[in-house]
Amino acid sequence: QVLLQESGPGLVKPSETLVLTCDVSGFSMSRGHYWGWIRQTPGRGLEWIGNVYHTGNDYYNPSLKSRVTISVDASKNQFSLQLSSLTAADTAMYHCARALPYCSGSICYSFDVWGQGTMVTVSS
Amino acid sequence: QSVLTQPPSVSGAPGQTVTISCTGGASNIGAGYEVYWYQQPPGAAPKLIIYMNDNRPSGVPDRFSASKSGTSASLAIAGLQADDEGAYYCQTYDNSLNVVVFGGGTKLTVL
Repeated sequence: QVLLQESGPGLVKPSETLVLTCDVSGFSMSRGHYWGWIRQTPGRGLEWIGNVYHTGNDYYNPSLKSRVTISVDASKNQFSLQLSSLTAADTAMYHCARALPYCSGSICYSFDVWGQGTMVTVSS
Repeated sequence: QSVLTQPPSVSGAPGQTVTISCTGGASNIGAGYEVYWYQQPPGAAPKLIIYMNDNRPSGVPDRFSASKSGTSASLAIAGLQADDEGAYYCQTYDNSLNVVVFGGGTKLTVL
């Protein structure tokens, strides 16, 4: 059974950089698949942040691209999200997920396994 | 405002059938991108229930069915049960915005 577990700070200050980690168990990331981050708020619903392949190939939501980096550490079977220049608008539940291998070109845009999510609040 | 439009809420009695619509446009559903559906019970993570327009992952009951036509898609849930309650989201890709898009979500209440 594939399981994903997010971890990171629950509270961060405005202008700081958020770093979240997703630990993957039950599946070796080196076997393939893209891996993604999605955030959720009551007001904006589900918002895709970006995806990364185990080789490091990545693509991001254009609205967040200037502030986001998603990286992989296949040796630890985990991947991470860095989101900089935080504002209150970044307050959300952050989920990591495994992308399905049904892609349009190099864009894999659906997810079959999700983590429970970790709540992040941006406040001074 | 979501690129994919869903009704905010639907409801039905146990045993009934409900349908949730997902309306997109020419740059997403109408462009031929596959539609996916997720179920999210309260306090839980989203769960994939339909992939590639009309396919059910292993373990998802055949009470759940979906279809796609033109710039829209729909999810039907037959034989409503209490544990079907929660939010349902459609999802695809938009090649004008170059972004993975989700519908705004539909809250299902079993009366």
